[in-house]
Amino acid sequence: DTQMTQSPSSLSASVGDRVTITCRASQSISTYLNWYQQKAGKAPKVLIYGASSLQSGVPSRFSGSGSGTEFTLTISGLQPEDFATYYCQQSYNTPRTFGPGTKVEIK
Amino acid sequence: QVQLVESGGGLVKPGGSLRLSCAASGFTFSDYYMTWIRQAPGKGLEWVSHTSGSSSYTTYADSVKGRFTISRDNAKNSLYLHMNSLRAEDTAVYYCASEGHNWNYQHYWGQGTLVTVSS
Repeated sequence: DTQMTQSPSSLSASVGDRVTITCRASQSISTYLNWYQQKAGKAPKVLIYGASSLQSGVPSRFSGSGSGTEFTLTISGLQPEDFATYYCQQSYNTPRTFGPGTKVEIK
Repeated sequence: QVQLVESGGGLVKPGGSLRLSCAASGFTFSDYYMTWIRQAPGKGLEWVSHTSGSSSYTTYADSVKGRFTISRDNAKNSLYLHMNSLRAEDTAVYYCASEGHNWNYQHYWGQGTLVTVSS
């Protein structure tokens, strides 16, 4: 199975900050990397797919990059509604493993 | 609009069985892989299983292989998860989700149904 790691596991940031979350895969997954946002008590929703493609309706302050084994999610100008937990997921092979998550909290 | 609605969760004793259902609407159900993903209380997301549109291809996580069976009824636009030999560690919210054709990401999710395995 492809193992996914994320760093940091949590972070505190202020509204307007630029935030970067890193995701690493245990083997090359090309650009089959997706990012999800989950708020408390809600189902996750996809933000980025294919490492860098923005899902329809997602604000442009979210962006993704990377290929192979290292990927980043960047939020440029954190907004109050962005405080949530973010998960990466590889969809290159099965099982389609998720990272452990990064909780973004208000400073 | 697309809707995925899970049902069938509840309290079950260790060793027991349960069948989850997911009713889909708003898209051509038979065209898409469908997936079950779970989340234990306070924990992260765990991919459980998926099945192709025609049910020809099915894959399971090692943690449920041999105990859980995924199935679908395209005539009823419904996805199922048959869970046997349930353990305490299977306690989780179970989500059904559709899988996009390109990049294989989960583009639509249900609201989840809670399964609690406890004596």
